[in-house]
Amino acid sequence: GAGVSQSPRYKVTKRGQDVALRCDPISGHVSLYWYRQALGQGPEFLTYFNYEAQQDKSGLPNDRFSAERPEGSISTLTIQRTEQRDSAMYRCASSDSYEQYFGPGTRLTVT
Amino acid sequence: QKEVEQNSGPLSVPEGAIASLNCTYSDRGSQSFFWYRQYSGKSPELIMSIYSNGDKEDGRFTAQLNKASQYVSLLIRDSQPSDSATYLCAVKGYGGATNKLIFGTGTLLAVQP
Repeated sequence: GAGVSQSPRYKVTKRGQDVALRCDPISGHVSLYWYRQALGQGPEFLTYFNYEAQQDKSGLPNDRFSAERPEGSISTLTIQRTEQRDSAMYRCASSDSYEQYFGPGTRLTVT
Repeated sequence: QKEVEQNSGPLSVPEGAIASLNCTYSDRGSQSFFWYRQYSGKSPELIMSIYSNGDKEDGRFTAQLNKASQYVSLLIRDSQPSDSATYLCAVKGYGGATNKLIFGTGTLLAVQP
């Protein structure tokens, strides 16, 4: 079946602009996770949802980052007033139990 | 101390050999452990999960877990050049409302033809 999809795959934005990254999980998966991965590092947890409820947002770096999953399916990670340090690969994963499956990621570049 | 530690490598093994990848973790209460394979420029792909002490085998892969020593490993038998990738160890904590995974930095495996 279809895996996790993310869009856009690449995003270049100017410092100070807002960006919205989208994740469409595997159909039927209850849980959805956002991670950020720097080059040469493992993914770093940002936030996660069960259905539409945000269960843990302890990994969001600051209040410029927010996420939502209003209907318990597609999720959007929004970064306001982007900064160069926000440049990274943003990965989404979904799960119906313990195992998490990753999407292809969105490469964000802030110039 | 990092929560999940892996040797960054590269680990170089000849084709057909056994590759042994190791991971230690700091949270003694951790319950679930995962190995992901990540090819360069691609997303992590789940290859093994293990929840109980002992060995778990799946094809050429064997995951080993020792909770007393806070150690988890991945063995790849009959290594192939196509196994060359970064292998990420991930650990899920215990308790609370979170199901987040904590990843190590990964070990780069290079299988030489």
